[in-house]
Amino acid sequence: QQQVKQSPQSLIVQKGGISIINCAYENTAFDYFPWYQQFPGKGPALLIAIRPDVSEKKEGRFTISFNKSAKQFSLHIMDSQPGDSATYFCAAGLISGGGNKLTFGTGTQLKVEL
Amino acid sequence: DVKVTQSSRYLVKRTGEKVFLECVQDMDHENMFWYRQDPGLGLRLIYFSYDVKMKEKGDIPEGYSVSREKKERFSLILESASTNQTSMYLCASSSLSSGPYEQYFGPGTRLTVT
Repeated sequence: QQQVKQSPQSLIVQKGGISIINCAYENTAFDYFPWYQQFPGKGPALLIAIRPDVSEKKEGRFTISFNKSAKQFSLHIMDSQPGDSATYFCAAGLISGGGNKLTFGTGTQLKVEL
Repeated sequence: DVKVTQSSRYLVKRTGEKVFLECVQDMDHENMFWYRQDPGLGLRLIYFSYDVKMKEKGDIPEGYSVSREKKERFSLILESASTNQTSMYLCASSSLSSGPYEQYFGPGTRLTVT
C-alpha cells in the first residue's frame, strides 16, 4: 500500500528553468512533509520541510507548496542549476504518535541540462 | 556534523548466507532506521528502533531481523539471503530533541546476492 505517490519518475529541465515535482498522500493524519535530496553515491539529505498549517514554504530557490484539501504537495526549484541534478524524495510523517517514521515517495530523478 | 557510517559500501553474498549489515551513528540519536532503496520503489522501511533493545517492524520486515545492543549501533540481519534481497540498504538516525523528523542517512550498502 503506497501512501505517498510521487510524480514524475524522471524530469529533464534546462538550466534556469523551473523544476516541479508533485506528491499526493492518502493518510490525513500526516502532519509533516519533508523533501529529501540524494546525490549519486550518497544517502538522502533533508532539503526542506513543511507542516500542514502553512500553504507555502520557501528556502532560497526551493519552495514547497501545500494543498491540504487536495492532499497534495509539491517541490518547486526555481532557476534550476546543473548542481541540482539529483534524485528527490517526498515523504510524510506523523509528529505525534507516529514513532518518528516517515513514508517516502518513489523518487524523481532530476537532470538539469546546460 | 552528524555522521552515520555503514560497515560496507559494497557486499556480495551467496544465496542462503547469513548477512550482517552494520550501522553506527555518532550523535547519540535515539531513533535508528533501516531502509532498502530500489529503482521505482523509493525508500521502504524495513525496521526501526527508538531505544536500545527496542525494535519495531516497518513496512517490509519479512526476511530481515535487527539488533540494537548499544545506542549508537543498529544491525540489520538477513538470516538466509535470497536474490530478491539484492538492493541498496540505507541506515538513518534521528533525535527526539532536535528536529525529530530530520533523518540523517548513511551512504548506503549495495548488497548483491548471487
